[in-house]
Amino acid sequence: AQSVTQLDSQVPVFEEAPVELRCNYSSSVSVYLFWYVQYPNQGLQLLLKYLSGSTLVKGINGFEAEFNKSQTSFHLRKPSVHISDTAEYFCAVNSPGNTPLVFGKGTRLSVIA
Amino acid sequence: GAGVSQSPSNKVTEKGKDVELRCDPISGHTALYWYRQSLGQGLEFLIYFQGNSAPDKSGLPSDRFSAERTGGSVSTLTIQRTQQEDSAVYLCASSLMGQPSYEQYFGPGTRLTVT
Repeated sequence: AQSVTQLDSQVPVFEEAPVELRCNYSSSVSVYLFWYVQYPNQGLQLLLKYLSGSTLVKGINGFEAEFNKSQTSFHLRKPSVHISDTAEYFCAVNSPGNTPLVFGKGTRLSVIA
Repeated sequence: GAGVSQSPSNKVTEKGKDVELRCDPISGHTALYWYRQSLGQGLEFLIYFQGNSAPDKSGLPSDRFSAERTGGSVSTLTIQRTQQEDSAVYLCASSLMGQPSYEQYFGPGTRLTVT
């Protein structure tokens, strides 16, 4: 079985400050890792994904994440946030193949002017 | 091109009534997923289709829930005798088999409220 833990349910941060949203996973098989963003009253949009290769993954809107196999982590970072980054962020995992995603509980990022 | 669409966007129903939720995946996407998003439970997997067959129904919470997919395209999620705990946002996603990314593209969801 796979599981995802997002350690912070809410993260407030001032505009133009850096942010890190934490994600840890558990799996007995190889994994693919994803970060999705959900803006109010919208569906999920993919920010970035790790499938294989370089452990540092760059995504849209200036976000990046680093896969750390030894720590089973996939933390999301952005060096300077904007008001428009205010949203819910979900870390997810699945296995190679068309398998369902297992999601964390989400982290609500609030950017303060 | 068009993304995943879902209808209705909002549905309010009385306890005990049946509801049908529709998902139109991206054209050509052979895999289709249903998830449920609720305050207490977060995002939960319900059922997965490959073509018209459902190899994984493990997430359906009870026998009141069923889903079908026809023509390898549109899918309908049916909830019979709705209960208040069924209130949630139901999300549909689709993906293209055989692609290394296996990225799932999500629709905007159907917000179901059972009164």
